[in-house]
Amino acid sequence: AQKITQTQPGMFVQEKEAVTLDCTYDTSDPSYGLFWYKQPSSGEMIFLIYQGSYDQQNATEGRYSLNFQKARKSANLVISASQLGDSAMYFCAMRELQDSGTYKYIFGTGTRLKVLA
Amino acid sequence: NAGVTQTPKFQVLKTGQSMTLQCAQDMNHNSMYWYRQDPGMGLRLIYYSASEGTTDKGEVPNGYNVSRLNKREFSLRLESAAPSQTSVYFCASYSGSSVSNIQYFGAGTRLSVL
Repeated sequence: AQKITQTQPGMFVQEKEAVTLDCTYDTSDPSYGLFWYKQPSSGEMIFLIYQGSYDQQNATEGRYSLNFQKARKSANLVISASQLGDSAMYFCAMRELQDSGTYKYIFGTGTRLKVLA
Repeated sequence: NAGVTQTPKFQVLKTGQSMTLQCAQDMNHNSMYWYRQDPGMGLRLIYYSASEGTTDKGEVPNGYNVSRLNKREFSLRLESAAPSQTSVYFCASYSGSSVSNIQYFGAGTRLSVL
């Protein structure tokens, strides 16, 4: 079974509008963490935002916010006031604690966002 | 700040050739990871290392070996490259702390196996 599911292969949004990228997850680790990364066409992986499983409030970082619905196991990324530079691939990821004491990260298949002028 | 450095950036191999992808981090991180990225597949974990001297298999370890040479370096070896190993490879590191949450990535190695 997929542990991280991103159901939107591609999305379009008009410049200056908000967009929501979906992510659902599945884990038995009670202390998991959820991440979003941006990968522009240049290829590097850029960390955007983190949400811990015990965090009471939704995480926010500038124009990025994470809509965390724990009971529904969803961690959607909301980008407000989209800019042309937001056009990129976006990955949702989850970390789980392993017996070795370190964390293992699992990534979704990504959503390609295109911002239209 | 160098962060995570991967070499080489590009490589073309013939089927059956071997090579080692190098990764080094200067952030004193305990945990290091190797991923491969294929179109439509996201990033898949190949191997990871919780600390110097320890390695664990990830989701797609077949055809690869790794060495955690010291705390800084984590190398990925392809003993006999196959066309199915054509991919972009990313190395990443993480402090290992439950407080620090960010996994840092290298710039990637684009590998083609002909």
